[in-house]
Amino acid sequence: EDKVVQSPLSLVVHEGDTVTLNCSYEVTNFRSLLWYKQEKKAPTFLFMLTSSGIEKKSGRLSSILDKKELFSILNITATQTGDSAVYLCAVSTDSWGKLQFGAGTQVVVTP
Amino acid sequence: GAVVSQHPSWVICKSGTSVKIECRSLDFQATTMFWYRQFPKQSLMLMATSNEGSKATYEQGVEKDKFLINHASLTLSTLTVTSAHPEDSSFYICSAGKAANNYGYTFGSGTRLTVV
Repeated sequence: EDKVVQSPLSLVVHEGDTVTLNCSYEVTNFRSLLWYKQEKKAPTFLFMLTSSGIEKKSGRLSSILDKKELFSILNITATQTGDSAVYLCAVSTDSWGKLQFGAGTQVVVTP
Repeated sequence: GAVVSQHPSWVICKSGTSVKIECRSLDFQATTMFWYRQFPKQSLMLMATSNEGSKATYEQGVEKDKFLINHASLTLSTLTVTSAHPEDSSFYICSAGKAANNYGYTFGSGTRLTVV
């Protein structure tokens, strides 16, 4: 059975702190790993990772994939209150977009 | 590119009635779309894979007669919750995308269903 496990489940940080979120996976047919940010409504896309060791960066967010150890991390530096959200990790196992999601990590950034 | 539109955003219905939710790919053709359900404070759970021109593929534990999926064209998939009950109240989200899209798979804005 395919599994995607995120940790921690939740955390509270102060503005300006750095946050590291973890996602490990065990799937039979890995194609890519995706990170999403979910606030009130539907998830918004952050990163899609397919190759090991290549960091993807967007502003204060960055992510990297380790296909040997089967995990990914998402980093948020200099956190702001607007970063408060649930961060979802998902693994794609086919070419059409079927995703298996982890439980998510709730991040709360306090002023 | 890769815009997915979902309607309605929210709906309240009485027990026993049916509700239809639409998912449209606006700027690309999607032979496959996906329907997810999300209960409060839980993650997204895949319900079914919607295939254009053929029957949907349902995940284990999802009742196909209750959640009817129709994918009649390359840009539209519909999910009908039949004979809705309060326990069907949830957030329903569709997604679609292109396999080689560097922007990943796009989600619709979701539909909040409340059955009273």
